[in-house]
Amino acid sequence: NAGVTQTPKFQVLKTGQSMTLQCAQDMNHNSMYWYRQDPGMGLRLIYYSASEGTTDKGEVPNGYNVSRLNKREFSLRLESAAPSQTSVYFCASSSSGKNQPQHFGDGTRLSIL
Amino acid sequence: RKEVEQDPGPFNVPEGATVAFNCTYSNSASQSFFWYRQDCRKEPKLLMSVYSSGNEDGRFTAQLNRASQYISLLIRDSKLSDSATYLCVVNPPGGYNKLIFGAGTRLAVHP
Repeated sequence: NAGVTQTPKFQVLKTGQSMTLQCAQDMNHNSMYWYRQDPGMGLRLIYYSASEGTTDKGEVPNGYNVSRLNKREFSLRLESAAPSQTSVYFCASSSSGKNQPQHFGDGTRLSIL
Repeated sequence: RKEVEQDPGPFNVPEGATVAFNCTYSNSASQSFFWYRQDCRKEPKLLMSVYSSGNEDGRFTAQLNRASQYISLLIRDSKLSDSATYLCVVNPPGGYNKLIFGAGTRLAVHP
């Protein structure tokens, strides 16, 4: 089982460049999430999608956009990368409803110079 | 006050030891609770859910104290492979499963 797959695994960008992080899940989950993880801090929610066709802002959405392409895929776009966006990005998915744990991809390490 | 607070550690323990971590949360109406494990430079993985009555999974025991707003994780007979960062995770009220993650407690088990 692939679970949650993220691409790319590593990326280096220059300030001002744009890129899209891809995420796909094969668990038939309705909900998908994008987080960033910085040293000494918990994972912080950037955007989430409760179901296909809907997206909502999380705790730290500034500088990012998302697209829920279909039930399987949820992409995160940086339009104009900034050094403050250097981080590890995780995508996750879960079933709908209360008390559902989330399942994570193995992350994208992004450095912005 | 942070929504979810954990002692960052590290907790350095010998193999076979029993170790316990606590985590406090600020929103008394939080609905569900989890412990995740994260190995160095890897993704978080669900270790166990935490139920109101407490629950056990092998060497791991989780407890919830709603009155004092904390959850705990007890690891018995520690193994080298238990070395990791343990994330306390809380689902606040409001729906949509928007989990709040603590920054984690690092455990190092040594021979």
